[in-house]
Amino acid sequence: GQQLNQSPQSMFIQEGEDVSMNCTSSSIFNTWLWYKQDPGEGPVLLIALYKAGELTSNGRLTAQFGITRKDSFLNISASIPSDVGIYFCAGRGGAGGTSYGKLTFGQGTILTVHP
Amino acid sequence: GAGVSQSPRYKVAKRGQDVALRCDPISGHVSLFWYQQALGQGPEFLTYFQNEAQLDKSGLPSDRFFAERPEGSVSTLKIQRTQQEDSAVYLCASNLLRITGTDTQYFGPGTRLTVL
Repeated sequence: GQQLNQSPQSMFIQEGEDVSMNCTSSSIFNTWLWYKQDPGEGPVLLIALYKAGELTSNGRLTAQFGITRKDSFLNISASIPSDVGIYFCAGRGGAGGTSYGKLTFGQGTILTVHP
Repeated sequence: GAGVSQSPRYKVAKRGQDVALRCDPISGHVSLFWYQQALGQGPEFLTYFQNEAQLDKSGLPSDRFFAERPEGSVSTLKIQRTQQEDSAVYLCASNLLRITGTDTQYFGPGTRLTVL
């Protein structure tokens, strides 16, 4: 099935460093979402973006909805050990989606934070 | 409960066995989704329910996969004659509305299926 192109696949950083990951698609989406998944749990929504060009922050997280509606990035500033996990981008709606909100996910970015 | 629950959390099946995976969505949520997450991959859409109606089953990988939501609340994903490639985490998600604008999809913890 279709998956979005998410990079990098994994990151190993020191506590306190900033992190950046991005996601691209060949199709336009109306909404871009970023999720975090911990081991043995389902994805939890971090940030939702609804308009092209939108820049949204949630604490130390900042995400942007690309102007072409085919890409998005997520930044995490001043990383801490509890940021460890797998981060997924997801697109919803638009030519790449459906009216009822089926999500198309990226392959994930595995984040490891060394104290 | 407050969130989406799934059972069992872990299921081991021998190849050829049938399995049934259960999802209890958040009470009152109209929309229910099933996703399949292979190891090291992002979730992939399987099927969508609006109340009891299955409106999209385009993601089901084969006719061995069957899902139902007969009363518009609890849903069951059934896999017949399981194969090794069916091994994955099966995630259920629900959201309140049938047409999503800013509505959030809430995920359950998933059922990890291992087919030997």
